[in-house]
Amino acid sequence: GQNIDQPTEMTATEGAIVQINCTYQTSGFNGLFWYQQHAGEAPTFLSYNVLDGLEEKGRFSSFLSRSKGYSYLLLKELQMKDSASYLCAARNSGNTPLVFGKGTRLSVIA
Amino acid sequence: IAGITQAPTSQILAAGRRMTLRCTQDMRHNAMYWYRQDLGLGLRLIHYSNTAGTTGKGEVPDGYSVSRANTDDFPLTLASAVPSQTSVYFCASSELAGSGELFFGEGSRLTVL
Repeated sequence: GQNIDQPTEMTATEGAIVQINCTYQTSGFNGLFWYQQHAGEAPTFLSYNVLDGLEEKGRFSSFLSRSKGYSYLLLKELQMKDSASYLCAARNSGNTPLVFGKGTRLSVIA
Repeated sequence: IAGITQAPTSQILAAGRRMTLRCTQDMRHNAMYWYRQDLGLGLRLIHYSNTAGTTGKGEVPDGYSVSRANTDDFPLTLASAVPSQTSVYFCASSELAGSGELFFGEGSRLTVL
């Protein structure tokens, strides 16, 4: 079976840094993905980790620890437009589709 | 603009009626997917297709059917809609089967009364 956990909601202040955690339990793990979804819109791909460590992409970074079954998405210099849901998803080996967590709704306040 | 097109955008449907949600992509992606998204439950996979001519069941396939006659189209059919199928439905595609970089359509909001 597969289980992906992430917090339901988070609130952070404009200009600050926020870390959204994700833990996963899957068989044949082969990559961890983060998606952003603004209210009423489609999810869009943000980042991908398959090896341990930090991947940086502008204000967004994603970290993976395979041994701990743990990932986080780090958002720096928060902007109001970062208010959205952030979806953690795991890929297993083979050609099986992504399994998504329930998402974390981030509210950025002034 | 290249991408995925879903239709209809929104639909209200009487219980027991048959409904087909359409999905077309012009990126020549091999794999396509149907997810439903419900408050508090996140995105759940209904059916998928790794390549034209093949389909597979996801986490919540009951009450739904799909076909993949060609690369571009992946319609989702509700044979006899029930209120629990009220949801937002997202079609997605990826270049290769098993790829984690999915491209999503804008969604179809379905209400079954």
